[in-house]
Amino acid sequence: GENVEQHPSTLSVQEGDSAVIKCTYSDSASNYFPWYKQELGKGPQLIIDIRSNVGEKKDQRIAVTLNKTAKHFSLHITETQPEDSAVYFCAAPFYGNNRLAFGKGNQVVVIP
Amino acid sequence: ETGVTQTPRHLVMGMTNKKSLKCEQHLGHNAMYWYKQSAKKPLELMFVYSLEERVENNSVPSRFSPECPNSSHLFLHLHTLQPEDSALYLCASSQEKGEPYNEQFFGPGTRLTVL
Repeated sequence: GENVEQHPSTLSVQEGDSAVIKCTYSDSASNYFPWYKQELGKGPQLIIDIRSNVGEKKDQRIAVTLNKTAKHFSLHITETQPEDSAVYFCAAPFYGNNRLAFGKGNQVVVIP
Repeated sequence: ETGVTQTPRHLVMGMTNKKSLKCEQHLGHNAMYWYKQSAKKPLELMFVYSLEERVENNSVPSRFSPECPNSSHLFLHLHTLQPEDSALYLCASSQEKGEPYNEQFFGPGTRLTVL
């Protein structure tokens, strides 16, 4: 099955700085990589995803980069704001089906 | 109501109690999921229903019993739980379109405490 790991587990950044979270996966056949954001008291919400036919995808202040050779993908948040404080989960598909294996999550704290 | 709703938001129960968690999705989706979220652990997929049929049961103990009476509602019946079952239980839904990896929409979760 798929093994998904996230680093670092906690990340503190000053408001306005950039934050980068890295996710590694084990199944080289995986071809879909989403990032979910979970705010306090809420369920996770998809914020960006990438498929293996591209190396980078951007949506305003967030971007995801994919390195299929090294089997890792990263979430980049630029010009961080207090509302970016949350837990971020990466995921990758289980081998052989379309269910997702999630990582443990990264706690991002933006310091005003 | 919009999106995915879950009730109750908080539940405290003893090990001998029987309770049920309810999930309702207002998105017209055809697949629903139960996840368990424990601190410092990945989200654990428990059950998947597609078109009201259970298509996955990831080795979940029988003290958890899901029910999907229609495509909009999903229940998780609980009985004789253990303290280690205390966690946040998340419901999600998606529209299965014949292509893999469709976005999942999560509810806010039910915080369960087993005494």
